[in-house]
Amino acid sequence: AQKITQTQPGMFVQEKEAVTLDCTYDTSDQSYGLFWYKQPSSGEMIFLIYQGSYDEQNATEGRYSLNFQKARKSANLVISASQLGDSAMYFCAMREGRDRDDKIIFGKGTRLHILP
Amino acid sequence: EAGVAQSPRYKIIEKRQSVAFWCNPISGHATLYWYQQILGQGPKLLIQFQNNGVVDDSQLPKDRFSAERLKGVDSTLKIQPAKLEDSAVYLCASSWGGYEQFFGPGTRLTVL
Repeated sequence: AQKITQTQPGMFVQEKEAVTLDCTYDTSDQSYGLFWYKQPSSGEMIFLIYQGSYDEQNATEGRYSLNFQKARKSANLVISASQLGDSAMYFCAMREGRDRDDKIIFGKGTRLHILP
Repeated sequence: EAGVAQSPRYKIIEKRQSVAFWCNPISGHATLYWYQQILGQGPKLLIQFQNNGVVDDSQLPKDRFSAERLKGVDSTLKIQPAKLEDSAVYLCASSWGGYEQFFGPGTRLTVL
């Protein structure tokens, strides 16, 4: 079974609209971390946001927020007021266990296109 | 602060040839990761180092791939001999023990 599932291969969104990128995960660990990374066409992976499994509040970083629904094993990324520069691949990822150096498992990604 | 450096950025080789990639992590980062990202997929961890030691190499094809991290700083990843299916972007990342991994720009390998 896949650990991280991103069901949207591609999305087209009008500039300035809000965007929700879906992510579901599968783990039996109580302690885990969830990540979102952005990969522009240049290829570099850019860290966006992190949510720990014990964090009670949803994580936010500027225009990014993570809609964490633990019971549903869902960790959707919300981008408010989208910009043309948000066009990129977006990857959801998970680290299982307490050790912060444990490996991260990535989903297959969602390609986001922002339309002017 | 300088980021993770990788070289070369691009490499084209024939199948059965060998190739090596180099990574210089962010200064002070003890943990170093090598990922393989095949087109259309997310990165897959190949090997993880903690200082000089290997923490996880369960997904490294050891019959053809090897990696080392001398003195707990720079690292090299080698493929010998290369196969067509090794065409991918090879990403290096490092971390200091926090939850964030910092990625380099990657090396795009094409095997003909």
